[in-house]
Amino acid sequence: QKEVEQNSGPLSVPEGAIASLNCTYSDRGSQSFFWYRQYSGKSPELIMFIYSNGDKEDGRFTAQLNKASQYVSLLIRDSQPSDSATYLCAVNEAGGTSYGKLTFGQGTILTVHP
Amino acid sequence: DADVTQTPRNRITKTGKRIMLECSQTKGHDRMYWYRQDPGLGLRLIYYSFDVKDINKGEISDGYSVSRQAQAKFSLSLESAIPNQTALYFCATSDTGTGADEQYFGPGTRLTVT
Repeated sequence: QKEVEQNSGPLSVPEGAIASLNCTYSDRGSQSFFWYRQYSGKSPELIMFIYSNGDKEDGRFTAQLNKASQYVSLLIRDSQPSDSATYLCAVNEAGGTSYGKLTFGQGTILTVHP
Repeated sequence: DADVTQTPRNRITKTGKRIMLECSQTKGHDRMYWYRQDPGLGLRLIYYSFDVKDINKGEISDGYSVSRQAQAKFSLSLESAIPNQTALYFCATSDTGTGADEQYFGPGTRLTVT
């Protein structure tokens, strides 16, 4: 059973701070890593993906990947109240007939307070 | 118009009834997925289809069946609904052709079984 674990949260940060969301995964062969944002009652929305070790930046969001440690994180700089949501980490399955499937973590609830 | 649509958006049904949830997409993607989401349990895969003739069980397929009527349509059926199938159901799509595994979600169907 492939597993994806996220920091349990909920995470509360003040407006303007950096929010750090963390995720570990068990499938060492995984190659693709995704962060989704989900507002309450809405569907998950893809915000970032990363394939290579290191950092990937997109606006206020930075994804960090360390395959050796099987660890992926999402940093949100200058957090805004509109960033308050549940953040889901997803990891692809490495091979065989299930290649392309994603395994999702249970999500971390982020609250940004003014 | 939305790229991935789900009908109905909300449904209340009684125990023992058969119910079908429908998903359509205009993204031209070949892969489609059905997930359910329960509070605290994240997204769990019910069934997935990599093309019209390829349908596979996910981690929680018992009590569910699917039909891939066309590349753009993927339906989920509950043969005899039970209360613990009360959940938020999402359809998602992805595209083999890009070489990436990111999935795009429909708006969801909130199902209540009484």
